Amino acid sequence: GEDVEQSLFLSVREGDSSVINCTYTDSSSTYLYWYKQEPGAGLQLLTYIFSNMDMKQDQRLTVLLNKKDKHLSLRIADTQTGDSAIYFCAERGGYNKLIFGAGTRLAVHP
Amino acid sequence: DGGITQSPKYLFRKEGQNVTLSCEQNLNHDAMYWYRQDPGQGLRLIYYSQIVNDFQKGDIAEGYSVSREKKESFPLTVTSAQKNPTAFYLCASSSPVTGTYEQYFGPGTRLTVT
Repeated sequence: GEDVEQSLFLSVREGDSSVINCTYTDSSSTYLYWYKQEPGAGLQLLTYIFSNMDMKQDQRLTVLLNKKDKHLSLRIADTQTGDSAIYFCAERGGYNKLIFGAGTRLAVHP
Repeated sequence: DGGITQSPKYLFRKEGQNVTLSCEQNLNHDAMYWYRQDPGQGLRLIYYSQIVNDFQKGDIAEGYSVSREKKESFPLTVTSAQKNPTAFYLCASSSPVTGTYEQYFGPGTRLTVT
């Protein structure tokens, strides 16, 4: 079946890099996504990666994909207090549905 | 500005009452989705619609109903049959035309039933 798992909490110091990890089960997933949710708000699409790619970089964000291990990570360089939020990993499932992880709460402290 | 709107942002209802949550998009997207989010949990799919006048049950459809009479609109009714309706509800849309299938979300409606 389809399942996405993430660690629930990550705490980093301002200016350090954050790495949020995700594992998924459906090896046929063609796209994987990272979303950000600030308190009381909807989800904001940060980036996505196609399954034939190993890495994608977009400004401070770097996505790494290890298809063999079904492992996806999101690295945020120079983490700022404005990056404090919940980050969701998602994989594309059947009928164009997205399967979401439970989310990783990122706390950035001075 | 193109986007997805949900109204109202906060909604309060008494137990036993049906309530309808609004979701409108002007992105010209064919597909629309409703999710429920509970504290500390991920998103769970309630209903989705790939095209006007067609919709399918998601993982937790019991106690909910939807309609898709217009491309722009996908209202969700939370019925009195829903055992625990208090939650944060998120609407999303996507377009298969892009080929990347990403979903775009509205700001959400927080429903409290007492």
